Amino acid sequence: QKEVEQDPGPLSVPEGAIVSLNCTYSNSAFQYFMWYRQYSRKGPELLMYTYSSGNKEDGRFTAQVDKSSKYISLFIRDSQPSDSATYLCAMSAIRSSNYKLTFGKGTLLTVNP
Amino acid sequence: KAGVTQTPRYLIKTRGQQVTLSCSPISGHRSVSWYQQTPGQGLQFLFEYFSETQRNKGNFPGRFSGRQFSNSRSEMNVSTLELGDSALYLCASRPSGGLHNEQFFGPGTRLTVL
Repeated sequence: QKEVEQDPGPLSVPEGAIVSLNCTYSNSAFQYFMWYRQYSRKGPELLMYTYSSGNKEDGRFTAQVDKSSKYISLFIRDSQPSDSATYLCAMSAIRSSNYKLTFGKGTLLTVNP
Repeated sequence: KAGVTQTPRYLIKTRGQQVTLSCSPISGHRSVSWYQQTPGQGLQFLFEYFSETQRNKGNFPGRFSGRQFSNSRSEMNVSTLELGDSALYLCASRPSGGLHNEQFFGPGTRLTVL
């Protein structure tokens, strides 16, 4: 079993839809949870960053972490064609001098005008 | 500030050759990590360097190696290339302080092994 599982999609939605992206994980040591967005032919860019359980909102984006279920989500409200990209969840444990990120495989999202 | 830069952006090699990829982190960032991205395995951690020392290493064979220079620039080397080494190689730099493990990625080097 991989440490982080993410549905690869692809996911296709109409403009304005609410998008829900999810990851599950098995390593209970993960404390930091991130969502990266990767456009075609580009490197990943950090979108959302959450420590431990709870919700975090930033504009149209909301990240949720449920450590009891080992489940994290990213919600995109009022989705736009410019949101079309691959979304990667990433996780990190608290270990001194260990900054390895463990990624899901990514979900390809297309928002249709 | 300029972002993370990687050179070259694209590279074609044949099996058995070796390759060196270069990464310049964001100014002031001393930590550099390397990741391999493939359709089958996704993003996988290769290694991390801080102040010219390798601090962590992923589960890759010894053909994959790296180094970091005093100006924090980093190189990774792959020897005896195999077809399966075809991938996007991403470099990320991390600032000291700030959010724990916030990493900034470069655009990557697309390596094709024929």
